[in-house]
Amino acid sequence: DQQVKQNSPSLSVQEGRISILNCDYTNSMFDYFLWYKKYPAEGPTFLISISSIKDKNEDGRFTVFLNKSAKHLSLHIVPSQPGDSAVYFCAASFAGNQFYFGTGTSLTVIP
Amino acid sequence: DGGITQSPKYLFRKEGQNVTLSCEQNLNHDAMYWYRQDPGQGLRLIYYSQIVNDFQKGDIAEGYSVSREKKESFPLTVTSAQKNPTAFYLCASTIPGGAYGYTFGSGTRLTVV
Repeated sequence: DQQVKQNSPSLSVQEGRISILNCDYTNSMFDYFLWYKKYPAEGPTFLISISSIKDKNEDGRFTVFLNKSAKHLSLHIVPSQPGDSAVYFCAASFAGNQFYFGTGTSLTVIP
Repeated sequence: DGGITQSPKYLFRKEGQNVTLSCEQNLNHDAMYWYRQDPGQGLRLIYYSQIVNDFQKGDIAEGYSVSREKKESFPLTVTSAQKNPTAFYLCASTIPGGAYGYTFGSGTRLTVV
């Protein structure tokens, strides 16, 4: 059973606009969440994280929001750039041990 | 520089053959993981090891085997029992309670011919 879900397999956004990628989880024990970015034929790279004691974490153009009551997190990219085109995975864990991954959202930023 | 090295990057296997994918890390991480990526399926856990000489099955362990004789190495063998082995395989490592999640290798693309 998929504990972390990304219901949008793909997203297209114009350059300069906001990209919003969504992720839902089912296990209320999860207390640490990450977003990874992945280019084709490469391993995922860490992008940004958030712990359950926060509801927002910002790093440059990237902001992750956590809504614990809704078991939902989102990644905002502002402004979106063509180099942001990649597959984005959200991941969740309990106590930082095994991470459970979503199925990924393929973002295309159109110049 | 510290990191995870997976080799080879591309691997072709004939049906009925076993093949071994290499994963080596020099990050001094205790825990290592093998994931498989298929289109539309995200990352699925095959096996993981949190300490030398110990490993556990993940969600899709059938047809795979691993060993963890050294902290730095966690090779994955894809056996002939794996019915659909063509996929992209990712190795990852982390410290227990890793605050930054996993460090991933660059992956191995396995194709059955």
